[in-house]
Amino acid sequence: QVHLVQSGAEVKPPGASVKLSCKTSGYTFTNNYVHWVRQAPGQGLEWMAMIYPQDGSTSYAQRFQGRVTMTSDTSASTVYLELNSLTAEDTALYYCARDNSAFDYWGRGTLVTVSS
Amino acid sequence: DIVMTQTPLSLPVTLGQPASISCRSSQSLVYRDGNTYLSWLHQRPGQPPRLLIYKISNRFSGVPDRFSGSGAGTDFTLRISRVEAEDVGVYYCMRATQPSWAFGPGTRVEIK
Repeated sequence: QVHLVQSGAEVKPPGASVKLSCKTSGYTFTNNYVHWVRQAPGQGLEWMAMIYPQDGSTSYAQRFQGRVTMTSDTSASTVYLELNSLTAEDTALYYCARDNSAFDYWGRGTLVTVSS
Repeated sequence: DIVMTQTPLSLPVTLGQPASISCRSSQSLVYRDGNTYLSWLHQRPGQPPRLLIYKISNRFSGVPDRFSGSGAGTDFTLRISRVEAEDVGVYYCMRATQPSWAFGPGTRVEIK
């Protein structure tokens, strides 16, 4: 059974960085892309980043280029998202999702609050 | 970038009646491998999204057969044959391929 377990909530001041984790299980980690998607309060879904754990290749949404880094640890079947230079607009629920020709399994989300 | 739009953005429905949501992309979603990676997801309040339909018309495991998807190229439709109370929430279409994945704005379904 596929599971994606995300790290706990974070509170950060403006200008700080945050690193989120998403531990996967129940499938061969290197076979599928994994994505990060965020959802600001009361808003829709926004795709942020993708990684292919087999070779570490990544793709980022243009609006986050230069501010986001997605990495993976194949020994731990875990992906990470680091977001820098946080502002209040980064306050959101961050989801990881497995890609199997569609986003078929999702984590429960990690709430990131940016506040002074 | 490809832009995904949905209509309507709000959809009051009657229990037991059909409902449909349209999704349009600014460019064809046919990928170089010949497949069209258009998905539909459903999000209930306080929950992560869940996959309903992938590659236009394929129901994901466990999805009731009252949900169906259709379309081609740039125009797609999600249909619910008979709305049930558990179907409330927000429905998103999404482009699920490189180089940039994209979601529609969402359609909020509520019971009249």
